[in-house]
Amino acid sequence: GNSVTQMEGPVTLSEEAFLTINCTYTATGYPSLFWYVQYPGEGLQLLLKATKADDKGSNKGFEATYRKETTSFHLEKGSVQVSDSAVYFCALILMDTGRRALTFGSGTRLQVQP
Amino acid sequence: DSGVTQTPKHLITATGQRVTLRCSPRSGDLSVYWYQQSLDQGLQFLIQYYNGEERAKGNILERFSAQQFPDLHSELNLSSLELGDSALYFCASSPRRAGFTGELFFGEGSRLTVL
Repeated sequence: GNSVTQMEGPVTLSEEAFLTINCTYTATGYPSLFWYVQYPGEGLQLLLKATKADDKGSNKGFEATYRKETTSFHLEKGSVQVSDSAVYFCALILMDTGRRALTFGSGTRLQVQP
Repeated sequence: DSGVTQTPKHLITATGQRVTLRCSPRSGDLSVYWYQQSLDQGLQFLIQYYNGEERAKGNILERFSAQQFPDLHSELNLSSLELGDSALYFCASSPRRAGFTGELFFGEGSRLTVL
């Protein structure tokens, strides 16, 4: 089956530190990959996505590159801010199937301290 | 604001009871998804509906059921509730098939507490 594995949190960083959150996947086909973010008290919202190998998704200073050879989609940001404190979910979907439901990882909580 | 509306936001009930959670998708979206978020299980896909028909099932218990109505709103029914059903239940919607990019739009969730 399809699955997503994320590094366990919480990840605690000081403001302006470099962030990496690891994500690897297992899929029976060629998935599209996503990072979603959940701010406190809110629903999930799309942060970035990549639909094919070597694509780089980017948004709000966050980046992730679709690495087919290592089945990975690690999230990075060069300088985090307190406002980035949230839970980050890696997810995949197989677009060529009738099932259009995302498979999520377990989430990684990021805490950024001033 | 994602445009997806969920009610109620909070619900406290007792074991053995039945509750109904309601979701209104974004205007124009035909697909509705239900997810359960708990501390030990993470975010689990329950069920998907497309234009009133069930499209995909995930880890949904037999005690749970859902439907999507002609006006496209959806309800998730949880019965014979157990302590372990306490969780945050999210609804999400997506556009019709031709416009689907993989992005889901999530509501703010309904927090269910079973005592």
